[in-house]
Amino acid sequence: SQKIEQNSEALNIQEGKTATLTCNYTNYSPAYLQWYRQDPGRGPVFLLLIRENEKEKRKERLKVTFDTTLKQSLFHITASQPADSATYLCALDIMDSNYQLIWGAGTKLIIKP
Amino acid sequence: EAGVAQSPRYKIIEKRQSVAFWCNPISGHATLYWYQQILGQGPKLLIQFQNNGVVDDSQLPKDRFSAERLKGVDSTLKIQPAKLEDSAVYLCASSLGRVSTGELFFGEGSRLTVL
Repeated sequence: SQKIEQNSEALNIQEGKTATLTCNYTNYSPAYLQWYRQDPGRGPVFLLLIRENEKEKRKERLKVTFDTTLKQSLFHITASQPADSATYLCALDIMDSNYQLIWGAGTKLIIKP
Repeated sequence: EAGVAQSPRYKIIEKRQSVAFWCNPISGHATLYWYQQILGQGPKLLIQFQNNGVVDDSQLPKDRFSAERLKGVDSTLKIQPAKLEDSAVYLCASSLGRVSTGELFFGEGSRLTVL
């Protein structure tokens, strides 16, 4: 069956360290992968999009990698801050006829001061 | 630029009652989505509109859920009659075109509690 997996347990990171979140998928061949941030009681906010032919994408303290062989994307936040605490969702664009995004359940990130 | 507007933010109803949610997307965005997000899960697409036409409603429980997007702008999602399992946050999102062209912009969501 088709599946997207993100760490279901919360990730606790010390302020200043690098946080790394994982998004694994099976039985998809996504053309794009997107990462969103969601704060409690709010809608998701777009962070980064990476294409299948891109190995890495950066935006300020954020870095995303996309390994289509391993079927995995890693999302890194360097020099993490308590304000980075949120749930991070990955979403795959499987380029079917309806151009749907398939969503992971998200990983809750907690940055401790 | 104004973001995606949704109302109401919160709604509490008894089971078997009806409820309607409203969404106004970002001006000029052709594609509008309604998602259901249950606590601890990712968003689940209910229906996708391209202008005022339905692109995908395969996961919409059509016996109780309905949605429309008149004139290709704002949209309403209705649930009648509601069930306990419909308790969730209903997210509206919009994008310029098909999702592959870029990001989705989400509203704050409408939290529904069915008692």
